[in-house]
Amino acid sequence: AQKITQTQPGMFVQEKEAVTLDCTYDTSDQSYGLFWYKQPSSGEMIFLIYQGSYDEQNATEGRYSLNFQKARKSANLVISASQLGDSAMYFCAMREVWSSGSARQLTFGSGTQLTVLP
Amino acid sequence: ETGVTQSPTHLIKTRGQQVTLRCSSQSGHNTVSWYQQALGQGPQFIFQYYREEENGRGNFPPRFSGLQFPNYSSELNVNALELDDSALYLCASSTDTDTYEQYFGPGTRLTVT
Repeated sequence: AQKITQTQPGMFVQEKEAVTLDCTYDTSDQSYGLFWYKQPSSGEMIFLIYQGSYDEQNATEGRYSLNFQKARKSANLVISASQLGDSAMYFCAMREVWSSGSARQLTFGSGTQLTVLP
Repeated sequence: ETGVTQSPTHLIKTRGQQVTLRCSSQSGHNTVSWYQQALGQGPQFIFQYYREEENGRGNFPPRFSGLQFPNYSSELNVNALELDDSALYLCASSTDTDTYEQYFGPGTRLTVT
C-alpha cells in the first residue's frame, strides 16, 4: 500500500520569504504521480503542482516548485516569495493506478498548516 | 466551463439517519471520486465511479454507497449514520484519458449528532 508522510503539522514563514514543505512517500510501484494541493479554510482542494515518477526535471508552476528526490522518496514543495494568501493547509498526495484500468485514487498525507506572517 | 459543484454545503443529521450528498462533475468529465476528510486529517478515498459503475473502493463499509448518472453527476449515500461520519465530504471529477488532475468541489460538511 502507498503511504504519504508529512512531518510538519505547522509552519510559519515571513511574507516574501521562501518556504519548503516536506513530503516523503512509500510505494512499491514504479509508475506513480505525486501531487500538492492547497486547502484554504473554505475547504476546496486546489491543485498546485504534479510530478510524475519518470519525469527527469523537477516540476515548476509559477511560485511553486517540487523538489523531487526519487532515491530518497521525497517530494518537497517549495513556495517562493510567500504571500499572505498562501496561508492554508497543504497536502501532499500520491496517485494509485489499479491494474483494472483507468481508476485513479489519491492517497493524501496528513497536511501542513502554513501561516504567512506580515 | 462549469466547475465541480456539491450540495448541500452543510448538513446536520442524527445518529442512525440516512444522508444523500450530491456532486455535479465538471463539464466533459466522466469519472467522479468521493473522499471523506475528518477534522485535522487528510482526505480518505471512499470510492470512484466511471461511466455509471463503481470503479474502485477504499476501506469504507457497505453503508457507504453511491451512484453515477448518465450526465456523470453523482450521489454519495450513507446509511445508519455514526458520530464518526462527521466530516467534510469532497467530490472530485476527472476524465478517463491519461490526465493527472482531479478537480475538487467545495465539499459538504456533515455533522452527525
